[in-house]
Amino acid sequence: DGGITQSPKYLFRKEGQNVTLSCEQNLNHDAMYWYRQDPGQGLRLIYYSQIVNDFQKGDIAEGYSVSREKKESFPLTVTSAQKNPTAFYLCASSRGTSGNQETQYFGPGTRLLVL
Amino acid sequence: GQSLEQPSEVTAVEGAIVQINCTYQTSGFYGLSWYQQHDGGAPTFLSYNALDGLEETGRFSSFLSRSDSYGYLLLQELQMKDSASYFCAVRDPLNTGFQKLVFGTGTRLLVSP
Repeated sequence: DGGITQSPKYLFRKEGQNVTLSCEQNLNHDAMYWYRQDPGQGLRLIYYSQIVNDFQKGDIAEGYSVSREKKESFPLTVTSAQKNPTAFYLCASSRGTSGNQETQYFGPGTRLLVL
Repeated sequence: GQSLEQPSEVTAVEGAIVQINCTYQTSGFYGLSWYQQHDGGAPTFLSYNALDGLEETGRFSSFLSRSDSYGYLLLQELQMKDSASYFCAVRDPLNTGFQKLVFGTGTRLLVSP
């Protein structure tokens, strides 16, 4: 079955620590995205990637970093510079063509908590 | 820029019909999408309107009026499992070669017996 997987489901971060959230897709999609969701809020875009070895900052990129070395994988690192990292992190993908508007497919999410 | 407004919460009873509205402001427009998200879960795509009018998919329908910058999601024969948050979304017109979506803050639907 095609889909998007994220791991871990829950992640605990100590102060000053960098943590990496995994996102893998087998949908053969070119575009991938990372969103942050805070309680009762909408989705805010952190980073996005249109193609392998290319990525762009979204609306709230400070304190985060990404890489896109493989089409299937788009890991997100939450660095110690992100002072308020507690949130629900969602990874998504889409075909990546420039049509009117594409459907984005989301992974199950990772909930990050600060110790 | 672009912004979307939705009511924060809507309540209804099983079997009823509910309408969730979305008004948007955007300098360019490629259509309006709707996503459903259950608590703790992933958003899933429900519908998309590029042109004016009503799109029907089973119990769910979505309507768009581009002249009014307005759309709504209509849920019929409500079931308890429809309790979730519903987000409208538009494509960011500034990124013409890329599919960046801007999401509303979501409407929480509570369905009671």
